Amino acid sequence: GAGVSQSPRYKVAKRGQDVALRCDPISGHVSLFWYQQALGQGPEFLTYFQNEAQLDKSGLPSDRFFAERPEGSVSTLKIQRTQQEDSAVYLCASSRTNSGHEQYFGPGTRLTVT
Amino acid sequence: AQSVTQLGSHVSVSEGALVLLRCNYSSSVPPYLFWYVQYPNQGLQLLLKYTSAATLVKGINGFEAEFKKSETSFHLTKPSAHMSDAAEYFCAVSDHLTGNQFYFGTGTSLTVIP
Repeated sequence: GAGVSQSPRYKVAKRGQDVALRCDPISGHVSLFWYQQALGQGPEFLTYFQNEAQLDKSGLPSDRFFAERPEGSVSTLKIQRTQQEDSAVYLCASSRTNSGHEQYFGPGTRLTVT
Repeated sequence: AQSVTQLGSHVSVSEGALVLLRCNYSSSVPPYLFWYVQYPNQGLQLLLKYTSAATLVKGINGFEAEFKKSETSFHLTKPSAHMSDAAEYFCAVSDHLTGNQFYFGTGTSLTVIP
Protein backbone atom coordinates (compact mmCIF):
# COMPACT_ATOMS: atom_id res chain seq x y z
CA GLY A 1 0.00 0.00 0.00
CA ALA A 2 0.92 3.66 -0.09
CA GLY A 3 3.52 4.87 2.33
CA VAL A 4 3.85 8.17 4.13
CA SER A 5 3.81 11.08 1.73
CA GLN A 6 4.93 14.65 2.29
CA SER A 7 4.47 17.82 0.32
CA PRO A 8 6.06 19.85 -0.96
CA ARG A 9 9.29 17.91 -1.36
CA TYR A 10 11.28 21.13 -1.62
CA LYS A 11 10.45 24.58 -0.33
CA VAL A 12 12.44 27.78 -0.58
CA ALA A 13 11.27 30.59 1.63
CA LYS A 14 12.58 34.06 2.21
CA ARG A 15 13.42 34.92 5.78
CA GLY A 16 10.30 36.08 7.54
CA GLN A 17 7.84 34.15 5.41
CA ASP A 18 5.43 31.61 6.83
CA VAL A 19 5.49 28.04 5.50
CA ALA A 20 3.20 25.02 5.82
CA LEU A 21 4.42 21.48 5.37
CA ARG A 22 1.98 18.64 4.85
CA CYS A 23 2.15 15.00 5.90
CA ASP A 24 -0.18 12.24 4.75
CA PRO A 25 0.38 9.23 7.01
CA ILE A 26 -0.33 5.64 6.15
CA SER A 27 -4.07 5.10 6.28
CA GLY A 28 -5.24 3.92 9.67
CA HIS A 29 -2.03 4.78 11.49
CA VAL A 30 -2.76 6.13 14.93
CA SER A 31 0.50 7.87 15.73
CA LEU A 32 2.19 10.63 13.77
CA PHE A 33 5.57 12.20 14.41
CA TRP A 34 7.50 15.18 13.08
CA TYR A 35 11.29 15.31 13.08
CA GLN A 36 13.79 17.96 12.00
CA GLN A 37 16.99 16.77 10.30
CA ALA A 38 19.73 19.36 9.91
CA LEU A 39 22.45 18.80 7.34
CA GLY A 40 24.79 16.03 8.43
CA GLN A 41 22.79 15.23 11.54
CA GLY A 42 20.32 12.63 12.67
CA PRO A 43 16.63 13.43 12.90
CA GLU A 44 15.53 15.25 16.04
CA PHE A 45 12.06 14.84 17.51
CA LEU A 46 9.70 17.78 17.21
CA THR A 47 6.22 16.62 18.13
CA TYR A 48 3.88 13.62 18.37
CA PHE A 49 0.17 13.06 17.77
CA GLN A 50 -2.03 10.21 18.80
CA ASN A 51 -5.04 10.54 16.53
CA GLU A 52 -5.92 14.22 16.70
CA ALA A 53 -4.38 14.82 20.11
CA GLN A 54 -0.94 16.41 20.28
CA LEU A 55 0.52 14.50 23.20
CA ASP A 56 4.07 15.76 23.10
CA LYS A 57 5.43 18.97 21.61
CA SER A 58 8.54 19.19 23.71
CA GLY A 59 10.84 19.20 20.70
CA LEU A 60 9.40 22.24 18.96
CA PRO A 61 12.29 24.74 18.98
CA SER A 62 10.23 27.89 19.38
CA ASP A 63 6.72 29.25 19.44
CA ARG A 64 7.10 29.95 15.73
CA PHE A 65 6.56 26.24 15.16
CA PHE A 66 3.04 24.88 15.26
CA ALA A 67 1.63 21.49 14.26
CA GLU A 68 -1.89 20.22 13.92
CA ARG A 69 -3.74 17.07 12.97
CA PRO A 70 -7.39 18.12 13.24
CA GLU A 71 -9.06 14.96 11.97
CA GLY A 72 -6.50 12.45 13.12
CA SER A 73 -5.12 11.84 9.66
CA VAL A 74 -3.30 14.52 7.65
CA SER A 75 -0.96 16.73 9.64
CA THR A 76 0.48 20.15 8.92
CA LEU A 77 3.63 21.63 10.39
CA LYS A 78 3.61 25.40 10.20
CA ILE A 79 6.61 27.62 10.71
CA GLN A 80 5.96 31.32 11.13
CA ARG A 81 8.46 34.06 10.35
CA THR A 82 11.06 31.61 9.08
CA GLN A 83 14.70 32.09 10.02
CA GLN A 84 17.82 30.74 8.35
CA GLU A 85 18.35 28.27 11.19
CA ASP A 86 15.04 26.65 10.24
CA SER A 87 16.66 25.32 7.06
CA ALA A 88 16.52 21.54 7.36
CA VAL A 89 14.72 18.46 6.15
CA TYR A 90 11.44 17.94 7.96
CA LEU A 91 10.49 14.30 8.26
CA CYS A 92 7.11 12.89 9.09
CA ALA A 93 6.59 9.35 10.39
CA SER A 94 3.53 7.34 11.28
CA SER A 95 2.94 4.24 13.34
CA ARG A 96 0.08 1.78 13.47
CA THR A 97 0.05 1.59 17.24
CA ASN A 98 -0.02 3.93 20.19
CA SER A 99 3.46 2.88 21.19
CA GLY A 100 5.07 4.14 18.03
CA HIS A 101 7.74 1.48 18.15
CA GLU A 102 7.74 0.90 14.43
CA GLN A 103 7.72 4.22 12.65
CA TYR A 104 7.42 4.54 8.89
CA PHE A 105 9.02 7.66 7.48
CA GLY A 106 8.06 9.86 4.58
CA PRO A 107 10.61 11.26 2.10
CA GLY A 108 10.78 14.58 3.90
CA THR A 109 10.44 18.22 2.92
CA ARG A 110 13.70 20.08 2.38
CA LEU A 111 13.20 23.66 3.57
CA THR A 112 15.72 26.28 2.56
CA VAL A 113 15.37 29.74 4.08
CA THR A 114 17.23 32.46 2.19
CA ALA B 1 17.64 10.41 29.24
CA GLN B 2 18.35 8.32 26.20
CA SER B 3 21.10 8.92 23.68
CA VAL B 4 22.94 7.15 20.90
CA THR B 5 26.54 7.40 19.77
CA GLN B 6 27.58 6.20 16.35
CA LEU B 7 31.35 5.80 16.11
CA GLY B 8 32.65 6.69 12.70
CA SER B 9 30.75 9.16 10.60
CA HIS B 10 32.19 7.60 7.42
CA VAL B 11 32.95 3.94 6.78
CA SER B 12 34.37 2.51 3.55
CA VAL B 13 34.43 -1.17 2.70
CA SER B 14 35.24 -3.15 -0.40
CA GLU B 15 32.46 -4.94 -2.20
CA GLY B 16 32.14 -8.39 -0.65
CA ALA B 17 33.79 -7.38 2.62
CA LEU B 18 32.25 -7.39 6.08
CA VAL B 19 30.21 -4.34 7.04
CA LEU B 20 30.37 -3.24 10.69
CA LEU B 21 28.64 -0.06 11.82
CA ARG B 22 28.91 0.77 15.49
CA CYS B 23 26.21 2.03 17.81
CA ASN B 24 26.36 2.55 21.56
CA TYR B 25 23.38 3.68 23.54
CA SER B 26 22.66 5.23 26.87
CA SER B 27 19.39 4.46 28.61
CA SER B 28 18.33 4.33 32.23
CA VAL B 29 15.69 1.69 31.45
CA PRO B 30 15.64 -1.28 29.07
CA PRO B 31 15.86 0.19 25.61
CA TYR B 32 14.25 -0.41 22.29
CA LEU B 33 16.84 -0.10 19.53
CA PHE B 34 16.52 0.46 15.82
CA TRP B 35 18.63 0.76 12.70
CA TYR B 36 17.36 2.82 9.79
CA VAL B 37 18.88 3.34 6.34
CA GLN B 38 18.51 6.52 4.33
CA TYR B 39 19.23 6.74 0.62
CA PRO B 40 19.81 10.16 -0.95
CA ASN B 41 16.70 12.33 -1.04
CA GLN B 42 14.62 9.63 0.57
CA GLY B 43 13.11 9.05 3.97
CA LEU B 44 14.32 6.56 6.55
CA GLN B 45 13.65 2.87 6.01
CA LEU B 46 13.60 0.49 8.97
CA LEU B 47 16.31 -2.19 8.71
CA LEU B 48 15.72 -3.96 11.99
CA LYS B 49 14.61 -3.45 15.58
CA TYR B 50 15.26 -4.85 19.04
CA THR B 51 12.38 -4.76 21.50
CA SER B 52 13.55 -7.11 24.28
CA ALA B 53 13.09 -10.42 22.48
CA ALA B 54 16.05 -12.26 20.93
CA THR B 55 19.33 -10.37 21.30
CA LEU B 56 20.43 -11.23 17.75
CA VAL B 57 18.10 -9.47 15.39
CA LYS B 58 17.91 -10.16 11.68
CA GLY B 59 16.72 -7.47 9.35
CA ILE B 60 16.21 -6.81 5.69
CA ASN B 61 18.88 -6.94 2.97
CA GLY B 62 21.05 -9.38 4.92
CA PHE B 63 21.74 -7.05 7.84
CA GLU B 64 21.71 -8.12 11.46
CA ALA B 65 22.51 -6.58 14.82
CA GLU B 66 23.27 -7.93 18.26
CA PHE B 67 22.09 -6.32 21.47
CA LYS B 68 24.82 -6.49 24.12
CA LYS B 69 23.62 -5.09 27.40
CA SER B 70 27.03 -5.38 29.10
CA GLU B 71 28.59 -3.27 26.38
CA THR B 72 25.53 -1.03 25.81
CA SER B 73 25.99 -1.71 22.12
CA PHE B 74 23.85 -2.54 19.12
CA HIS B 75 26.29 -2.83 16.23
CA LEU B 76 25.02 -3.47 12.71
CA THR B 77 26.72 -6.08 10.54
CA LYS B 78 26.46 -7.63 7.11
CA PRO B 79 28.79 -10.43 6.01
CA SER B 80 29.27 -9.26 2.45
CA ALA B 81 28.82 -5.68 1.26
CA HIS B 82 26.98 -4.94 -1.95
CA MET B 83 27.21 -1.75 -3.99
CA SER B 84 23.55 -1.07 -3.24
CA ASP B 85 24.34 -0.88 0.49
CA ALA B 86 25.96 2.53 0.03
CA ALA B 87 23.78 4.88 2.07
CA GLU B 88 23.47 6.69 5.41
CA TYR B 89 22.71 4.53 8.41
CA PHE B 90 21.11 5.76 11.62
CA CYS B 91 20.84 4.03 14.98
CA ALA B 92 17.97 5.09 17.25
CA VAL B 93 16.80 4.35 20.78
CA SER B 94 13.52 4.64 22.60
CA ASP B 95 11.98 2.84 25.56
CA HIS B 96 8.68 2.01 27.16
CA LEU B 97 8.84 5.21 29.24
CA THR B 98 9.56 7.77 26.52
CA GLY B 99 7.67 5.39 24.30
CA ASN B 100 7.17 7.49 21.31
CA GLN B 101 10.20 9.70 21.14
CA PHE B 102 13.09 8.28 19.15
CA TYR B 103 16.61 9.54 19.78
CA PHE B 104 18.81 9.20 16.71
CA GLY B 105 22.56 9.08 16.33
CA THR B 106 24.33 11.41 13.94
CA GLY B 107 24.56 8.73 11.28
CA THR B 108 27.26 6.75 9.48
CA SER B 109 27.80 7.14 5.77
CA LEU B 110 28.72 3.81 4.18
CA THR B 111 30.75 3.78 0.97
CA VAL B 112 31.21 0.52 -0.91
CA ILE B 113 34.28 0.36 -3.11
CA PRO B 114 34.03 -1.83 -6.21
